[in-house]
Amino acid sequence: AQSVAQPEDQVNVAEGNPLTVKCTYSVSGNPYLFWYVQYPNRGLQFLLKYITGDNLVKGSYGFEAEFNKSQTSFHLKKPSALVSDSALYFCAVRDSGTYKYIFGTGTRLKVLA
Amino acid sequence: DAGVTQSPTHLIKTRGQQVTLRCSPISGHKSVSWYQQVLGQGPQFIFQYYEKEERGRGNFPDRFSARQFPNYSSELNVNALLLGDSALYLCASSTDSYNYGYTFGSGTRLTVV
Repeated sequence: AQSVAQPEDQVNVAEGNPLTVKCTYSVSGNPYLFWYVQYPNRGLQFLLKYITGDNLVKGSYGFEAEFNKSQTSFHLKKPSALVSDSALYFCAVRDSGTYKYIFGTGTRLKVLA
Repeated sequence: DAGVTQSPTHLIKTRGQQVTLRCSPISGHKSVSWYQQVLGQGPQFIFQYYEKEERGRGNFPDRFSARQFPNYSSELNVNALLLGDSALYLCASSTDSYNYGYTFGSGTRLTVV
């Protein structure tokens, strides 16, 4: 069965420093991977996706993610964190052969001024 | 353009009652999916509809049902509510059936007392 894991419940980073939010996946076949962000009392906002092609995917708000097939990882990164990036981040994989997404448990990012 | 709109935003129901949640997708989007997000967890897939046909169903009891209308809006119905149904219910729309990146609504917060 397809799954994603977000090993960190919370990540703290100082404003201006680079940030990484980790995600590993387990799929059969080609992975379709996604990152979403959720602000308090809001729905999820799409950040980026990997379907095929370049391993470095650029997305919204300066975020990018690196797809690593050998390590089955899809870590979210940003070169310089902003306080406004503080939110809950979800990694997701599309379940092959179905139409559903499987979400990780989420990582709370806190950017400290 | 309006995003994905959900109504109502908040709802309080009593155990045993029935509830209907509504979703209007982005104009031109023919695919609508429903997710349940319990506090502290990632969203869990409930249903996906494309062109008014059910394309996927998650591991939810038959108390949960949904439908999509000719204008692509959708309703999620939950019968015989349980306390455990308390959650944020998210609707997401997409341009195609493979959901290469949902756009989520802000959700309906359902509280069952």
